[in-house]
Amino acid sequence: KAGVTQTPRYLIKTRGQQVTLSCSPISGHRSVSWYQQTPGQGLQFLFEYFSETQRNKGNFPGRFSGRQFSNSRSEMNVSTLELGDSALYLCASSSGNTIYFGEGSWLTVV
Amino acid sequence: GQQVMQIPQYQHVQEGEDFTTYCNSSTTLSNIQWYKQRPGGHPVFLIQLVKSGEVKKQKRLTFQFGEAKKNSSLHITATQTTDVGTYFCAGYGSGGSNYKLTFGKGTLLTVNP
Repeated sequence: KAGVTQTPRYLIKTRGQQVTLSCSPISGHRSVSWYQQTPGQGLQFLFEYFSETQRNKGNFPGRFSGRQFSNSRSEMNVSTLELGDSALYLCASSSGNTIYFGEGSWLTVV
Repeated sequence: GQQVMQIPQYQHVQEGEDFTTYCNSSTTLSNIQWYKQRPGGHPVFLIQLVKSGEVKKQKRLTFQFGEAKKNSSLHITATQTTDVGTYFCAGYGSGGSNYKLTFGKGTLLTVNP
């Protein structure tokens, strides 16, 4: 069974731009969650989707948004990028309480 | 909101020594999970504890969930170089935030061969 797939793996953006990250969950998993990982703050919860509905949201500004499609694939978008948005963005899918992380998308904002 | 604290932040050991990381939550948890992240990798699920006072073992790893379901520990016996990585605990709250997994900041373990 294929794991969680995230694209792109690496990207560099300029301050003020926007970015869209994509996540394909494990087949059969309907829950997708997103996390931001930085050296200083660790793993921080962004949001979680189940059957195209956002069930929970972390404490991030409105520049961070997401959505889930009918095939459970998910995207997250960050608008008006700031230098502090540079991080590893991890997507995870789950069936039950166990979550499985993708390899992440490394975003650098310059 | 719910906070999960983890100590120590870093731990360096000689190969063969034991290692323990501790996790404390500000609120009661419905369950606690442990993850390992190798350098440059992504977090990988290790185990989930659900019951108060639960103890689980995986080879040299022993996981405990506190009686009050607010703290947990991971103990590694006789560390090996393959144990290097950051160990995270994470928990779901027992209230309305069952879909939000809160992570501790992790303990980075390095092992000197």
